[in-house]
Amino acid sequence: GDSVTQMEGPVTLSEEAFLTINCTYTATGYPSLFWYVQYPGEGLQLLLKATKADDKGSNKGFEATYRKETTSFHLEKGSVQVSDSAVYFCALSENSGGSNYKLTFGKGTLLTVNP
Amino acid sequence: NAGVTQTPKFQVLKTGQSMTLQCAQDMNHEYMSWYRQDPGMGLRLIHYSVGAGITDQGEVPNGYNVSRSTTEDFPLRLLSAAPSQTSVYFCASSYGRGLSPLHFGNGTRLTVT
Repeated sequence: GDSVTQMEGPVTLSEEAFLTINCTYTATGYPSLFWYVQYPGEGLQLLLKATKADDKGSNKGFEATYRKETTSFHLEKGSVQVSDSAVYFCALSENSGGSNYKLTFGKGTLLTVNP
Repeated sequence: NAGVTQTPKFQVLKTGQSMTLQCAQDMNHEYMSWYRQDPGMGLRLIHYSVGAGITDQGEVPNGYNVSRSTTEDFPLRLLSAAPSQTSVYFCASSYGRGLSPLHFGNGTRLTVT
């Protein structure tokens, strides 16, 4: 079945450092890929997405490229801020037959950015 | 815009008690779902609905019931709470179930003693 594997956290960085959170996936077909972010005390919200191979999703300085050959969707940001401290979830959505889709989440990676 | 509203924010139950977690969305979304979030487990789908009158089981449905009488509301019922149901519960909705992003509520933190 489908699965998403993200690097285990927690990840602790200093402000302005470069961020990479690795995400790899297993899927039977051609999934769409997402990154969601969860700030403390809140629900998840969509950060970015990519729907086909070589697409790059980007938002708020974050980027991720859909790499079909390596089945990866790594999240990157060139210079993190304290306000980026949150839990980041990688996810995939795949058609499971007809109009049904299955959304699979990774376990989340906690990022803490220190001033 | 209210988005997805969950109530209550916090709840403590004794084993065997019942309760309903409320979820309402004002975006006219067809798809609604309930997840539980546990440390080290990520998000797990409990139940979902693709429209009023239609519900289906997710990954971990046991011990939970749902109904969808209107497009806006999707309550989650615990008939007889157990300590294993201690978790943070999130309701989410989307326009469709494929590529549309999920909109999440802020969660209900439930403790069962």
